[in-house]
Amino acid sequence: AQSVAQPEDQVNVAEGNPLTVKCTYSVSGNPYLFWYVQYPNRGLQFLLKYITGDNLVKGSYGFEAEFNKSQTSFHLKKPSALVSDSALYFCAVRDLAFYNQGGKLIFGQGTELSVKP
Amino acid sequence: DTAVSQTPKYLVTQMGNDKSIKCEQNLGHDTMYWYKQDSKKFLKIMFSYNNKELIINETVPNRFSPKSPDKAHLNLHINSLELGDSAVYFCASSQVSGPSAFFGQGTRLTVV
Repeated sequence: AQSVAQPEDQVNVAEGNPLTVKCTYSVSGNPYLFWYVQYPNRGLQFLLKYITGDNLVKGSYGFEAEFNKSQTSFHLKKPSALVSDSALYFCAVRDLAFYNQGGKLIFGQGTELSVKP
Repeated sequence: DTAVSQTPKYLVTQMGNDKSIKCEQNLGHDTMYWYKQDSKKFLKIMFSYNNKELIINETVPNRFSPKSPDKAHLNLHINSLELGDSAVYFCASSQVSGPSAFFGQGTRLTVV
C-alpha cells in the first residue's frame, strides 16, 4: 500500500533562515508525490509535484522539493523563510489504484510550520 | 473565477439532522472527490466520482451519500448527523490524465 510519513508535527524557523519540512514515502512502483499547504481556515493549496524528471522540483511561493529515490524522501525546502509561510504543510502520494478513473491522494499527517520574526 | 467552490463554508447543526454540502468545479475535470479532515488535521478520502460514476467509497457510513448530477458537481448529503461527524469536509477535482488535485475552501461542519 502507498503511504507517506511526515516525521515532525512542528517545525520552527526564524525568518530569513532556510526551512525544511520532511516527508518519506513508501510506494510500489514509481511515486507521484505532492506538497500542499493549508493556511488557517482556508483550503488546501497545491505547491508542487514530482512525477518524473529532475529530482529538484520548483513550486509556488519560492518552495522547492528534492526527490531522493535511495532515501525514499521528498523534503520540502525554501532558502529563506517568511513569517507568511507559517501554515500546515501536507505531503501526499497518488495511489495508483483506480488511476484511470482519477485515483486518490494519500496524505501524511501534516507538519505545522511556524516562522518567527 | 473560483476553480472548486463549496457551500456552505460553515455549518452548525444539531444531532439527528440531515444536511447537504454542495461542490462545483469549473475546471472541466473528470473526477471529483470528498475528503474529510478530522480534529487532528488528518486528511482522508471519503468518495470519488469519475464522470458521475462512483469509483471510491472508503468505508464511509451509509449515512453519507454523495450525488453527482453532472461532471461539474458533487454534493454530499449526510443523514442523522452525529457528534463525530464534526470535521472539515473538502471537495476536490482532478483530470484523469493529470495527477494533481485542486481543492475547495472546505466546509467546517459542527454537530452540537
